Amino acid sequence: EAGVTQSPTHLIKTRGQQVTLRCSPISGHTSVYWYQQALGLGLQFLLWYDEGEERNRGNFPPRFSGRQFPNYSSELNVNALELEDSALYLCASSPYLRTTQYFGPGTRLTVL
Amino acid sequence: AQSVTQLGSHVSVSEGALVLLRCNYSSSVPPYLFWYVQYPNQGLQLLLKYTSAATLVKGINGFEAEFKKSETSFHLTKPSAHMSDAAEYFCAVSDSPVGAGGTSYGKLTFGQGTILTVHP
Repeated sequence: EAGVTQSPTHLIKTRGQQVTLRCSPISGHTSVYWYQQALGLGLQFLLWYDEGEERNRGNFPPRFSGRQFPNYSSELNVNALELEDSALYLCASSPYLRTTQYFGPGTRLTVL
Repeated sequence: AQSVTQLGSHVSVSEGALVLLRCNYSSSVPPYLFWYVQYPNQGLQLLLKYTSAATLVKGINGFEAEFKKSETSFHLTKPSAHMSDAAEYFCAVSDSPVGAGGTSYGKLTFGQGTILTVHP
């Protein structure tokens, strides 16, 4: 069974640019979660999507947004990139109302 | 609000020695608790989880953890460390589905992580 996949693996952007990260959940999982792992800040919850709707949001500014498609894959968009957005962005998936989340390998974003 | 505290950002053991990684949690509802491991430049791999069944939980790679409600702890142990255990370990807490709804549902709250070093 294929796990959670994320693309791209690495990304380098400059301040002010916009970026889109992609995630495909495990087959049969309808929920997708996004987390940011920034140096010195640990793992922080960003967003939770299920059945195409945003179900919960962490304490991040509105320039962090996303969406979930009918096939349950998801995109995370970050506008007006700032240096502190440099981090590993992790996607996880689970069946709806199941608390165990399975993580992908992450996308490493560097903002210069 | 939920929170997780991992005591010790770095733990160093010799190969073959006992591994003990400490985790204390705070939750206003019955918690679900998890341990994840992260190898360098990789995502998180689930080691084990507590979901209100048996208090002693066995996971992969010989790890286990015991849920102690009176101590609000969920420490991770392994009787004999192996070089391949060297990684960063994260404890996490989640609301159970019983506590569905509210600002904390649907997310994992992680501790700050413990880097385990294993010496030959």
